[in-house]
Amino acid sequence: DAGVTQSPTHLIKTRGQQVTLRCSPKSGHDTVSWYQQALGQGPQFIFQYYEEEERQRGNFPDRFSGHQFPNYSSELNVNALLLGDSALYLCASSLTGRYTEAFFGQGTRLTVV
Amino acid sequence: DQQVKQNSPSLSVQEGRISILNCDYTNSMFDYFLWYKKYPAEGPTFLISISSIKDKNEDGRFTVFLNKSAKHLSLHIVPSQPGDSAVYFCAAPSNAGGTSYGKLTFGQGTILTVHP
Repeated sequence: DAGVTQSPTHLIKTRGQQVTLRCSPKSGHDTVSWYQQALGQGPQFIFQYYEEEERQRGNFPDRFSGHQFPNYSSELNVNALLLGDSALYLCASSLTGRYTEAFFGQGTRLTVV
Repeated sequence: DQQVKQNSPSLSVQEGRISILNCDYTNSMFDYFLWYKKYPAEGPTFLISISSIKDKNEDGRFTVFLNKSAKHLSLHIVPSQPGDSAVYFCAAPSNAGGTSYGKLTFGQGTILTVHP
């Protein structure tokens, strides 16, 4: 079992560009959540996808959007990148309601220059 | 509004001694708490949890204590080992309309260093 896999592991983008991050959940998991972890901070919830729909959203602007595919994999899209979007982006997968069994990927380190 | 706070950015202990990591919360609706451990270049991994109906939960070297009246929880590691050196996060899931969807609110983390 490969667990939660994220791609790419590192990414450098220019301010104003758009970026897409990808996540494959752990086998059998149907729920994917995305978190942003800034340097020296804890992860902050961006949104959660279940049954291909955004089920819950944190305090992030509309520049952050996502998608979940029928195979439960997910994408996080960020438009009009700002320097402040530089962070580690974490994907977590779980069975709906089973948050004690949420598994995190290794993250994608995004640097905006 | 930081609903979960870890006020100690770092902690350094000697191998074999006890490590105590602290966490405070402000949202009285939180009824479940989790601790995660994170190594560099890896995602957080679940360590131990506690329900608000308990005041203590133990798993091997790890024990979590919950003081609801003080809105405070702590993670005890005894004995501490060099491999325990990592960043530790406390977290609480938020409920929406009575159903827990698993949105986790994390503290800022505490860097634990265990010296041989």
